[in-house]
Amino acid sequence: QQNVQQSPESLIVPEGARTSLNCTFSDSASQYFWWYRQHSGKAPKALMSIFSNGEKEEGRFTIHLNKASLHFSLHIRDSQPSDSALYLCNNNNAPRFGAGTKLTVKP
Amino acid sequence: EAAVTQSPRNKVTVTGGNVTLSCRQTNSHNYMYWYRQDTGHGLRLIHYSYGAGNLQIGDVPDGYKATRTTQEDFFLLLELASPSQTSLYFCASSDLGVDTQYFGPGTRLLVL
Repeated sequence: QQNVQQSPESLIVPEGARTSLNCTFSDSASQYFWWYRQHSGKAPKALMSIFSNGEKEEGRFTIHLNKASLHFSLHIRDSQPSDSALYLCNNNNAPRFGAGTKLTVKP
Repeated sequence: EAAVTQSPRNKVTVTGGNVTLSCRQTNSHNYMYWYRQDTGHGLRLIHYSYGAGNLQIGDVPDGYKATRTTQEDFFLLLELASPSQTSLYFCASSDLGVDTQYFGPGTRLLVL
């Protein structure tokens, strides 16, 4: 039982592209939202979090949260090959993750 | 950064065998988690705990037992291992249930 759904399952983009990853959640009372990144062969690591409606930017990464539409997203500007990884979203009202989006950035 | 260690890093066992996976965190976090990761399924929660002696059931608990012996140590037990339990297992910890989770390096288990 995953209370977050991610899309797309996988994504291949060219270097320099803008990439968007999506999560939808089911609990409208959710308050804490995280994106984790997992490079191949490594453990997941927290990337960014947001706790209120709106937008948060850190470098090339921006996350959006819209609680009314039960949706939050991660946007990567100027995607780099080093961004290639599995991206997992997490709604910390329950310790569960989405199935992930596998991002591949082609040089 | 929070430190979470897991042992062993790799394990091979046979069907019906007993396996214990160990996890230790040294940051006095309250919460500890066990996940399994299989291609196409992301991270699936097996069990978690919010303190020594506490155990909460996750989403895929069948065939797994867990025990939190101390604040630092969380064990996952497979008493009759089956090939379907071949997977990559991650342990994680967090201070509160809503905080960042810090993951260990993972244990790769193969059940023949």
